[in-house]
Amino acid sequence: EDQVTQSPEALRLQEGESSSLNCSYTVSGLRGLFWYRQDPGKGPEFLFTLYSAGEEKEKERLKATLTKKESFLHITAPKPEDSATYLCAVQAGGSNYKLTFGKGTLLTVNP
Amino acid sequence: DGGITQSPKYLFRKEGQNVTLSCEQNLNHDAMYWYRQDPGQGLRLIYYSQIVNDFQKGDIAEGYSVSREKKESFPLTVTSAQKNPTAFYLCASSIPRSGLKMGNEQFFGPGTRLTVL
Repeated sequence: EDQVTQSPEALRLQEGESSSLNCSYTVSGLRGLFWYRQDPGKGPEFLFTLYSAGEEKEKERLKATLTKKESFLHITAPKPEDSATYLCAVQAGGSNYKLTFGKGTLLTVNP
Repeated sequence: DGGITQSPKYLFRKEGQNVTLSCEQNLNHDAMYWYRQDPGQGLRLIYYSQIVNDFQKGDIAEGYSVSREKKESFPLTVTSAQKNPTAFYLCASSIPRSGLKMGNEQFFGPGTRLTVL
């Protein structure tokens, strides 16, 4: 069974204080790992897809990296508007549709 | 603008009632999905459809039903058989793809919050 574990459950940062969120996964042949951002009361917003170990993708203050067992979402010099829940999901190699989601990390950035 | 719309934003259900949640997309995506989100839990798949007039049960389909008569629309009915329906419901769509480095990025609507009175 595919599993995704995100840590920490919650993270509180000061504005400008860089940090990383972790997504550990167990999947039978990784086809893709996805990061989403979710604001309170809204649907998740797609951020990145990573396919193979060593791959990195960046968007503004966010950079996602991937190893064979985990992914990190690095947040550099965060701003209060980066406050949200960040979700990680994996797609197994044999699946054309199913994503398995983690429970998310709630990030709060204080001014 | 292309996107996914869900309505209503808030929905209240009395005990024993069936209610239908609407999901429409103009992204020309073949696949559509319904998820349920509860506090402290990951998104759980209720139903999905890869093509018009075809759909499959997800992990928690009991007490729910769907139809897919048009490519753009994938309504979800929460029946009285669903014992704990209070949750945030999310609809998503994607282009099913196969092959290496062809992930199934799913794009989500704004959600419907259902509350049982």
